[in-house]
This record gives sequence, structure tokens and C-alpha cells, in this order.
Amino acid sequence: EAGVVQSPRYKIIEKKQPVAFWCNPISGHNTLYWYLQNLGQGPELLIRYENEEAVDDSQLPKDRFSAERLKGVDSTLKIQPAELGDSAVYLCASSKESSTDTQYFGPGTRLTVL
Amino acid sequence: QKEVEQDPGPLSVPEGAIVSLNCTYSNSAFQYFMWYRQYSRKGPELLMYTYSSGNKEDGRFTAQVDKSSKYISLFIRDSQPSDSATYLCAMKGGSWGKLQFGAGTQVVVTP
Repeated sequence: EAGVVQSPRYKIIEKKQPVAFWCNPISGHNTLYWYLQNLGQGPELLIRYENEEAVDDSQLPKDRFSAERLKGVDSTLKIQPAELGDSAVYLCASSKESSTDTQYFGPGTRLTVL
Repeated sequence: QKEVEQDPGPLSVPEGAIVSLNCTYSNSAFQYFMWYRQYSRKGPELLMYTYSSGNKEDGRFTAQVDKSSKYISLFIRDSQPSDSATYLCAMKGGSWGKLQFGAGTQVVVTP
């Protein structure tokens, strides 16, 4: 079974530029999560999707961050414009349901903003 | 103060030793407790999943939860160099709750 796929794995951009991350969850997983992981910290939830619906986006900085999950499968996370403080690893995870099911994480996208 | 506290380490142990990791938390509503392992440049991988208090064993891994003390532990027996990674505790309240992670403890097992 293929795991959670993320691309790109690494991205270096200059501040004020836009950037987008893509995630393909495990087949059949209805719930998709985007997390932010700063160096030396645990992941922090940005947004959770149940199928196409964003059900928890309270931690998503909506002035510059946006996300979508069209057709309830793949998802993209966008930052526009990027700031120096956005440098971090962006992790995508999926689970069959969000209640007690295991969350499976992708390898993450490491973003560096110069 | 963070809801979940975890010593960042690094924790260095010789091969074959027992690794002891722990987390403390402040939110008494947490009921589901997990331990994840994260290798460098990889995503977290679930190791242990425990509901409420008690012990759970899986091979060389033992997870303990003491809700009265708001304290959880992970023990790794017969540690191997391949166990060198960052170990993250995570917990949540209700079944639909948001996972709260600790900062992670870096473990180094030396041959």
C-alpha cells in the first residue's frame, strides 16, 4: 500500500514569493491533515479535512495561507506571500476517519524562505 | 505553559540498554495517548496507541499512562542503533479531538 505522498520534498524561495505544497493521501482515507513542524518542535495542526470539507482550520493563518481539497482526494496548501518565519516542514497526514484512527504522515516538504 | 511537556534530550544510551522516555501534560481531558517515532527527514510514524490509563506492550516497546499524575512513558528494551530517532508523544481529548504533540526527545543509541 502506497503511503502519503508529498511534493516537493524541498523548496527554497525568497520572501514575498508564493509557494504551494501538494499532498496525495492513502487511498480510501477520508480525513486529511496539514501540519506545521518547526525545528525542534512537534507538529501543529493547520487544517483538517473530512472529504472535501475543512472542518478545523482555526490554526490556519488565513491572511496568507489557503488550502483546498478538491474531489476529496488530493490537497494543496498555499502560502502567499511567504515570510521568513514560514520556514519549516509542512507535513500532510491522512486517516480513514478522524475519530480514533491512526494518522499516517507523509515525509513532509521542507520550506526555506530567504 | 504548553499543554504537553517533553524533554528534548538528546538522550544517549549504549546498545542493549533500556530507553526511558516520558511526557507530562496539563489537560485532564486527554484520553488518547500516542507515541510516534520520527527519523531524520521523515514524517512521524505511530509506535504505540493507548486509551486511558494502564500499560501496553508491543515487542520491545512498553507504553504506560498514569492519568492521576498526568504522566506518560515509553520504554524501549534491548535498544538498537536503528532506534536512534526523535520520539514524540501525542495526546487528545475526545475521539474527535485535535492531537497535541510534545516537542520530541532525540534518542541516540551507540553501538
